Amino acid sequence: NAGVTQTPKFRVLKTGQSMTLLCAQDMNHEYMYWYRQDPGMGLRLIHYSVGEGTTAKGEVPDGYNVSRLKKQNFLLGLESAAPSQTSVYFCASSSTRGGKDEQYFGPGTRLTVT
Amino acid sequence: ELKVEQNPLFLSMQEGKNYTIYCNYSTTSDRLYWYRQDPGKSLESLFVLLSNGAVKQEGRLMASLDTKARLSTLHITAAVHDLSATYFCAGVLPGKIIFGKGTRLHILP
Repeated sequence: NAGVTQTPKFRVLKTGQSMTLLCAQDMNHEYMYWYRQDPGMGLRLIHYSVGEGTTAKGEVPDGYNVSRLKKQNFLLGLESAAPSQTSVYFCASSSTRGGKDEQYFGPGTRLTVT
Repeated sequence: ELKVEQNPLFLSMQEGKNYTIYCNYSTTSDRLYWYRQDPGKSLESLFVLLSNGAVKQEGRLMASLDTKARLSTLHITAAVHDLSATYFCAGVLPGKIIFGKGTRLHILP
């Protein structure tokens, strides 16, 4: 049981390049989330998904797209990276089964855009 | 709009002392989360508080929720060095999870 995994762990992009971050969970959770964390800040929600095939915007969605084609995977795409997207990205998943509603976080992806 | 404010943002304290971190939020929140983050690491869920008057305890940490005052507290009892970390609270509305900026806790031996 790996929990929540993220790929890659580190990445450096040039301005204008594109990339996809992959999040996978093996806990059969319905909900999945993408956050970004900047120095001295809490996490900010980018996009989230309440189930396979559904996605919704969070607090800071501009410049990002997501897809959830399979329940266990949630992809975050940057079509044209900008230096303002330099950040640490965390994926999380959760389930309301059993009334727990606890979020499990992945290890993070450190992205630098030059 | 939901806003979440934590205080203090930085806290340096001696081992063995008690202290409280406060989390105020601006509008009704469905629930309140507390997380711990060690430097360079991911977030670890500590508590999920679902209703008014909820109190949860794990070891030296105890969290409570007062929905009327829109206040949650994280109380540390007899602090030990291993509790040094950054602690975040987060409030929830449909479609939104809003985090506070975090309280960086440094416990001195």
